[in-house]
Amino acid sequence: DGGITQSPKYLFRKEGQNVTLSCEQNLNHDAMYWYRQDPGQGLRLIYYSQIVNDFQKGDIAEGYSVSREKKESFPLTVTSAQKNPTAFYLCASSIGASGTEAFFGQGTRLTVV
Amino acid sequence: AQSVAQPEDQVNVAEGNPLTVKCTYSVSGNPYLFWYVQYPNRGLQFLLKYITGDNLVKGSYGFEAEFNKSQTSFHLKKPSALVSDSALYFCAVRDRGSSASKIIFGSGTRLSIRP
Repeated sequence: DGGITQSPKYLFRKEGQNVTLSCEQNLNHDAMYWYRQDPGQGLRLIYYSQIVNDFQKGDIAEGYSVSREKKESFPLTVTSAQKNPTAFYLCASSIGASGTEAFFGQGTRLTVV
Repeated sequence: AQSVAQPEDQVNVAEGNPLTVKCTYSVSGNPYLFWYVQYPNRGLQFLLKYITGDNLVKGSYGFEAEFNKSQTSFHLKKPSALVSDSALYFCAVRDRGSSASKIIFGSGTRLSIRP
């Protein structure tokens, strides 16, 4: 059963803590993405990776970090430097640098308590 | 830099009437364009895309979109709306140039279909 798996679905974090969101895909896609969704602001690109061991900052990278050690995995760490981390986080993947569409996971809702 | 604008936060349509959700874009070269739909607390589902060729693109669930290069628009349309079409719709753009992997989304338009 191919697809993108994000875990956990819900995550609670205390202020000052780092937390890592998981994203795994078995679609053999080269490119992977992390987006943040806030009400009324649509999807904003945090980081993206076109290939293993390479990634680029998106529009709102401050306070976040990523790694791409394996093709299948693109974890996102929300650090304590991110001042307003409560949001819905979406991971996606696509075949690569072409006209192909991105496929999305079901999202992780992060809440700071 | 790439950008996408969805000028309407919400569109309200009666069931059975045609619907249009607007999208305009800005890229340095020729774009790849996409429409997605999102249901509450879920990821995005792909509806359709424009790559090249015919300006009218047909997609899932009876939706279609028209690419207009001169107006830099890619409006989503459906001839007859269903209540089940009520959802949040996103337009997205991908440049064909060096940053072709980067996909930028609009702010979304909430479509509400009344019975």
